[in-house]
Amino acid sequence: EEQLLESGGGLAQPGGSLRLSCAGSGFTFSSNAMSWVRLVPGKGLEWVSTIFSGGSTYFADSVKGRFTISRDNFKNTLYLQMNSLRAEDTATYYCARQGGKGAIVYWHFDLWGRGTLVTVSS
Amino acid sequence: EIVLTQSPATMSLSPGERASLSCRASQSVGISLAWYQHKPGQAPRLLIYDTSIRATGIPTRFSGSGSGTDFTLTIGSLVPEDFAVYYCQQRSNWPPRVTFGQGTRLE
Repeated sequence: EEQLLESGGGLAQPGGSLRLSCAGSGFTFSSNAMSWVRLVPGKGLEWVSTIFSGGSTYFADSVKGRFTISRDNFKNTLYLQMNSLRAEDTATYYCARQGGKGAIVYWHFDLWGRGTLVTVSS
Repeated sequence: EIVLTQSPATMSLSPGERASLSCRASQSVGISLAWYQHKPGQAPRLLIYDTSIRATGIPTRFSGSGSGTDFTLTIGSLVPEDFAVYYCQQRSNWPPRVTFGQGTRLE
């Protein structure tokens, strides 16, 4: 069964850092572009970042320069390093797989995890 | 940045009824539009991509239509498990950016 499992959420202070992880199983993790999407309370889904299988990365303007996305294809794991956290980063963060394989990247998300909650508060 | 506006924000229907959810883009997105279903505490679920292609395992009562700036998700005959929040989503070509609509709650 194809699965994504996020971990690493919790409470952080404004200006602090957290690192989220997402473990993939049941599919060839290295072949797919992977993304982070967050559910902001009272607002809805918001795309955060994407990393292609070849390593190219893309970020939403709201997190650019503060967040870093990376992947370890040997461990089948996706990461999101979040620095300089703000109250507005409070959300449930989902790991999501993009359609396509290798150089063919589709910009829809065909497999999601259940999410990990990040709360930024003093 | 392309903005997606979903309407209505909330839709109240009963099982067996037909639901039509709207998603309007601030500029043309061609056919690159997807729909998702999300229930509290669960992973979001891809329903439709490229405007009208049902994702694997999605029942035939779900259908998508439209092009350019106006898109519709239709649920032919509601069953109890269809009551959830629905989001549309598009991507811009370059630089790659993804945007979601604000969601329609089907209750």
